[in-house]
Amino acid sequence: GAVVSQHPSWVICKSGTSVKIECRSLDFQATTMFWYRQFPKQSLMLMATSNEGSKATYEQGVEKDKFLINHASLTLSTLTVTSAHPEDSSFYICSAQVHTEAFFGQGTRLTVV
Amino acid sequence: AQSVSQHNHHVILSEAASLELGCNYSYGGTVNLFWYVQYPGQHLQLLLKYFSGDPLVKGIKGFEAEFIKSKFSFNLRKPSVQWSDTAEYFCAVTLNAGGTSYGKLTFGQGTILTVHP
Repeated sequence: GAVVSQHPSWVICKSGTSVKIECRSLDFQATTMFWYRQFPKQSLMLMATSNEGSKATYEQGVEKDKFLINHASLTLSTLTVTSAHPEDSSFYICSAQVHTEAFFGQGTRLTVV
Repeated sequence: AQSVSQHNHHVILSEAASLELGCNYSYGGTVNLFWYVQYPGQHLQLLLKYFSGDPLVKGIKGFEAEFIKSKFSFNLRKPSVQWSDTAEYFCAVTLNAGGTSYGKLTFGQGTILTVHP
């Protein structure tokens, strides 16, 4: 199956700083990628759809100025958490769709202290 | 908005026991249904999916699921679990709208399955 790689796997940052998470499709091109967030003991929630060469589409309630998404190439989408606060601490997962199946990255554990 | 509910947060079984994980969804339109599994330290992987046709679908590793439209359910089953099935299982739904809709998943809360040898 298709491989999606996410980096870093975990990151700790200070409150007020920004953190960038990368999502790469390793063996295929992905015009569309998806970003999810998972709080402890809760389900994955779709945050946004990342479109290569155009603006991301954000789900209702997700602050687009807070979670900046850039999809500059067919193999890379990035999520930048700007001015991070402790409440942004979470598990972030990206995915890419190949035909009718979604392939997921391994996720990034973000802890804001 | 669509939603997915998984009945059990944590299921503990002994090897060779039968497994059934419940999943109900809330949406009035046509949906695609999925079960994903996440083994410790690994990516989410697709176990099986249902788009249309035979409501009993078979997936990898001996898993199967049955779509019961009248009950809005898509329960996952395995007749005899193994220690290696220890993982977290997620039920998910997308709208049957083609295009990139297959990637826009609504997930259930997940069920942790622990299988004792």
